[in-house]
Amino acid sequence: SQKIEQNSEALNIQEGKTATLTCNYTNYSPAYLQWYRQDPGRGPVFLLLIRENEKEKRKERLKVTFDTTLKQSLFHITASQPADSATYLCALSEDSSYKLIFGSGTRLLVRP
Amino acid sequence: EAGVVQSPRYKIIEKKQPVAFWCNPISGHNTLYWYLQNLGQGPELLIRYENEEAVDDSQLPKDRFSAERLKGVDSTLKIQPAELGDSAVYLCASSRGTGGERSYEQYFGPGTRLTVT
Repeated sequence: SQKIEQNSEALNIQEGKTATLTCNYTNYSPAYLQWYRQDPGRGPVFLLLIRENEKEKRKERLKVTFDTTLKQSLFHITASQPADSATYLCALSEDSSYKLIFGSGTRLLVRP
Repeated sequence: EAGVVQSPRYKIIEKKQPVAFWCNPISGHNTLYWYLQNLGQGPELLIRYENEEAVDDSQLPKDRFSAERLKGVDSTLKIQPAELGDSAVYLCASSRGTGGERSYEQYFGPGTRLTVT
């Protein structure tokens, strides 16, 4: 069956450390993968998109990697801040359409 | 630019009653999406429009759910009759849909939290 797996347990880290979130997928062939941030009571907010032929992408303190052999994407936040505390969702699309399939998200807690 | 607008933000209804949600996407965005999100889960696509055309409604329970996007701008999602299991957050999103990498970025509204009692 097709699955997108993100850690269901919250990731709890100290301010200033690097947070690394994992997204694994099974029986998908993504054309691209996206990461979104969601705060309680709000809709998801787009962060980064990475294509299947890209290994890594950066934006300010954020970095995404995409390994199609391992069927995995890693999402890093460097120099994390309490304001980074939120749920982070990965989503993939199997073709060049705009249809996204979301994982269930991982909650990140950054302690001051 | 103004974001995606949804109303109402909250709705409580009794089962078997009808309910409607409204969405106004970002100006100029051709593609509009309706998602359902259950607690602790990611959004699940219900229907996707490109302009006025519903191009993907395979996940929409058509026996009770309907949607429309007249004039290719704002959209309405309706449930009739509502069931207890429909309690969830209903999210609307839009994207440029005009090609190029940025066209894949989806912009979400705040959602409507529906409680069916």
